Amino acid sequence: NAGVTQTPKFRILKIGQSMTLQCTQDMNHNYMYWYRQDPGMGLKLIYYSVGAGITDKGEVPNGYNVSRSTTEDFPLRLELAAPSQTSVYFCASSAGGRSGANVLTFGAGSRLTVL
Amino acid sequence: DQQVKQNSPSLSVQEGRISILNCDYTNSMFDYFLWYKKYPAEGPTFLISISSIKDKNEDGRFTVFLNKSAKHLSLHIVPSQPGDSAVYFCAASARTGFQKLVFGTGTRLLVSP
Repeated sequence: NAGVTQTPKFRILKIGQSMTLQCTQDMNHNYMYWYRQDPGMGLKLIYYSVGAGITDKGEVPNGYNVSRSTTEDFPLRLELAAPSQTSVYFCASSAGGRSGANVLTFGAGSRLTVL
Repeated sequence: DQQVKQNSPSLSVQEGRISILNCDYTNSMFDYFLWYKKYPAEGPTFLISISSIKDKNEDGRFTVFLNKSAKHLSLHIVPSQPGDSAVYFCAASARTGFQKLVFGTGTRLLVSP
């Protein structure tokens, strides 16, 4: 029972490089999310998806892109990496719905450093 | 615009005593509140939640209290154990529209033996 799997766990990028953070979940959740956590800060929502083919911006989407071609996968693309994108990135998923608390299951995180 | 605030960055407690973690919010549309626990090098894990129609929810050693008039919630851990040492995040969501979770900045709890 893997839950939410993120790869890679660590990555160092040079300014201007691009990369994709991979995220996959095996819980058949409709909702998926990407958050970033900077030191001393809470988690900020980058992008989210309520189902395959549907994505939307969160609080801090600039410099990122996402796609959701399947229920299981929600990759996050960084174009033209900048030092401000140095952070820990968390992918999460949830069953969603309008009743009850929206409980998210998180991956272990991907630590990205841009030099 | 920090809608969910955890004003104490850290808290130290002795094993066996009570830990009280606090959280304040500003958005009156929030109707669900959640606590997540995070260990180093791991993702946050869900701990306990409370709906705005309740003022208390209990799960074993963990109790969350909600004071809607003060826009304040707290997490009580009794008795505290060394394994509870972690960062605790408060989060809130509004039922209207997409249930995006808004997170606080976290409180680092250290429980010493």
